[in-house]
Amino acid sequence: DIVMTQTPLSLSVTPGQPASISCKSTQSLLHSGGKTYLHWYVQKSGQSPQLLMYEVSSRSSGVPDRFSGSGSGTDFTLKISRVEAEDVGVYYCMQGIQFPQTFGQGTNLEIK
Amino acid sequence: EVQLVESGGGLVQPGGSLRLSCAASGFAFSTSWMTWVRQFPGKTLEWVAEMNPDGTRIGYLDSVKGRFTISRDNAKNSVYLQMKNLRAEDTAMYYCARDLSWGRTDYWGQGTLVTVST
Repeated sequence: DIVMTQTPLSLSVTPGQPASISCKSTQSLLHSGGKTYLHWYVQKSGQSPQLLMYEVSSRSSGVPDRFSGSGSGTDFTLKISRVEAEDVGVYYCMQGIQFPQTFGQGTNLEIK
Repeated sequence: EVQLVESGGGLVQPGGSLRLSCAASGFAFSTSWMTWVRQFPGKTLEWVAEMNPDGTRIGYLDSVKGRFTISRDNAKNSVYLQMKNLRAEDTAMYYCARDLSWGRTDYWGQGTLVTVST
């Protein structure tokens, strides 16, 4: 199975400041068809997880452009250019290139 | 409006069984891959099972193989998870979700809680 490792596991950020989460996989997530199946989810308090970014760098519908994703192969990063109070939650990376699909441990983002 | 509504969770003794149901509406269910994902009390997410639109391709987490069975009824826009020989470590919130493409899971239900305990 592909293991997904996120760092840090916890992040405390002042509003208006940037934030960055790293995600590393034990195997390349680049498919032979050219796409990379690394996705990001966020779970806000009391809610189900929701898709934030897909295929590394594409924002899901309604996601503000202060969120960006980058990376390739086995190393990926989610960045928030200017954190806002509404960004509080747990962020997960997930690989979809093979079964079982696997998630990172989650990064808890809080506001200072 | 897209809706995924899970039901069937509850308290069950170790070794017992439960059948989870998920009723879908607001999207093309019959052409969608459907998945079950669970979340443990500590917030870890774990993919459990997935099925393609016509039921010919199925994947399971190793730890549930032989105990859990995913199925679907496209006429009823529903997907199911039959769980047998439940263990304490199966205790979790179970989410039904639509996998649009290679893990791009765009629709999630609100979850149904399964507790395995004496």
